[in-house]
Amino acid sequence: QTVVTQEPSFSVSPGGTVTLTCGLSSGSVSTSYYPSWYQQTPGQAPRTLIYSTNTRSSGVPDRFSGSILGNKAALTITGAQADDESDYYCVLYMGSGIYVFGTGTKVTVL
Amino acid sequence: QVTLKESGPALVKPTQTLILTCTFSGFSLSTSGMRVSWIRQPPGKALEWLARIDWDDDKFYSTSLKTRLTISKDTSKNQVVLTMTNMDPVDTATYYCARIPGGRGTYMDVWGKGTTVTVSS
Repeated sequence: QTVVTQEPSFSVSPGGTVTLTCGLSSGSVSTSYYPSWYQQTPGQAPRTLIYSTNTRSSGVPDRFSGSILGNKAALTITGAQADDESDYYCVLYMGSGIYVFGTGTKVTVL
Repeated sequence: QVTLKESGPALVKPTQTLILTCTFSGFSLSTSGMRVSWIRQPPGKALEWLARIDWDDDKFYSTSLKTRLTISKDTSKNQVVLTMTNMDPVDTATYYCARIPGGRGTYMDVWGKGTTVTVSS
């Protein structure tokens, strides 16, 4: 059973920078997993932020960026704003039509 | 503009079969490379990928749920249907469908608003 792990929560000050990570229970995350990132506010559907590691989806502000840091995928928010307060999920594509969502990170901006 | 909308019963009884429909517009599932997935989210919990259907009728399922899931499409109606058998209270969740755009098919780009399903007797 593949488990994709994320930090449960993060707090960031307005204007600050926060980096969320996405790791595998066994092994390293690489670009071969085409990591993608999604933002979800309570009661709303997810919104696509980043795909293929570091490509921003249409309309996503450039304060959101994706990368590989060490053996994990990472989402960095630079210059956090109040409306960035959300849950964030990564997805790894395992190949053969199979996707695994991460456990999610709750980001608080205060 | 690409849109997707989920529909189905709000309440099902344990052991019943759930049938959900995703009706979409702005793209065609007969176009090479297009795919649609179902994802669910129990209250207060993480998102979980369930199934995917491709333009060529290839189908893929979550390993843990594959014995209970069936995904199908009606290209003429622009619909994708997910069937889940033997429903249990732990299947209570919001169910989303999402488009997976052409190319390698590695991410979801447009999501429906979701439909909430409660499993209770």
